[in-house]
Amino acid sequence: GEDVEQSLFLSVREGDSSVINCTYTDSSSTYLYWYKQEPGAGLQLLTYIFSNMDMKQDQRLTVLLNKKDKHLSLRIADTQTGDSAIYFCAESEGSARQLTFGSGTQLTVLP
Amino acid sequence: NAGVTQTPKFQVLKTGQSMTLQCAQDMNHNSMYWYRQDPGMGLRLIYYSASEGTTDKGEVPNGYNVSRLNKREFSLRLESAAPSQTSVYFCAGRGGENSPLHFGNGTRLTVT
Repeated sequence: GEDVEQSLFLSVREGDSSVINCTYTDSSSTYLYWYKQEPGAGLQLLTYIFSNMDMKQDQRLTVLLNKKDKHLSLRIADTQTGDSAIYFCAESEGSARQLTFGSGTQLTVLP
Repeated sequence: NAGVTQTPKFQVLKTGQSMTLQCAQDMNHNSMYWYRQDPGMGLRLIYYSASEGTTDKGEVPNGYNVSRLNKREFSLRLESAAPSQTSVYFCAGRGGENSPLHFGNGTRLTVT
């Protein structure tokens, strides 16, 4: 079945850029999503990208997609303490009725 | 606009007790989902309902049942709780294929 993998932890200094990486196995993925989960809360959709796109930018967030390598990344510019959270990558295939999630990356922003 | 609402927020059960987790959405979503979240394992799909009147098993359905009561509501039932079901449970809704999921704030369940 489909598999989505992420590294578990990332630490950055406040003001630096963060890059969170994700790999997936389903070559027929059509949409890829990034969610943010703050402590004690549900998952909040940050952004998503269609598989025919290479890049999407939304304010401080940049999503890069390398479809050949099945690699997705989320770059957060000027990382702030409020960005500390768990970030989940997820993918869906066109006819699938569900999303497949990675295990999440815990981002810690150090002062 | 409440979005996806889950009740209760917290619950403690003894082994063998039963309970129903409630989920309601006001976003006119066709599909609804129940996930559980455990440390280091991400989100695992328990059951989903692609449309009113249908339900299907996900990755980890054992020990659970669901009911899609109407378009708005999708409940998850534990008939005989076990400590392995200690987890955070999330309900989500989805408007259509390739639409993102919209999540509730979760139910934190502890089974002793």
